[in-house]
Amino acid sequence: KNEVEQSPQNLTAQEGEFITINCSYSVGISALHWLQQHPGGGIVSLFMLSSGKKKHGRLIATINIQEKHSSLHITASHPRDSAVYICAAFGAGSYQLTFGKGTKLSVIP
Amino acid sequence: DSGVTQTPKHLITATGQRVTLRCSPRSGDLSVYWYQQSLDQGLQFLIHYYNGEERAKGNILERFSAQQFPDLHSELNLSSLELGDSALYFCASSGGGTGSPLHFGNGTRLTVT
Repeated sequence: KNEVEQSPQNLTAQEGEFITINCSYSVGISALHWLQQHPGGGIVSLFMLSSGKKKHGRLIATINIQEKHSSLHITASHPRDSAVYICAAFGAGSYQLTFGKGTKLSVIP
Repeated sequence: DSGVTQTPKHLITATGQRVTLRCSPRSGDLSVYWYQQSLDQGLQFLIHYYNGEERAKGNILERFSAQQFPDLHSELNLSSLELGDSALYFCASSGGGTGSPLHFGNGTRLTVT
């Protein structure tokens, strides 16, 4: 059974700071997703990774398959980045997506 | 806009009742996934359909059932509702297997009173 752990659970940053959220998982995976959930409840998929690194604007996601670890970085953070960030992974050969408990990010002006 | 439509947005009903949640996937997507998000359990996978066929089941209660129709929309049926079924229910669609991007709907918030 795959377990997905995220850290930290809560994060408060000043506007402009560089932010890192970490995710580790326990079994082999086929893909890992980083999701963003705003207070209104909707979920947006930010990245899907199976290897390496992806960048979109100020967001960067990396994954290390050997270490079973992924990170989400936000450069030059902004108050609009305030949201819950969720890591989720499909186990290898499985359609079951296992979610981390999320990281609540608050960016203060 | 993800292209995934969920209806209704909100649903308030009483214990013991039955409700149906509907999901229309993004145009062209064959896969539909259902997830439940509750305050104590977080996000949990319920069930997955691909092109009308059930492909995987997660922590879905026997009181819950789902199906995907020929036009690819999906319905999640929740019966004999209990207070603990109050949650946000999301569907997501993708074009194929687990290597395809996921597109989430805005969710249906179910409140059981």
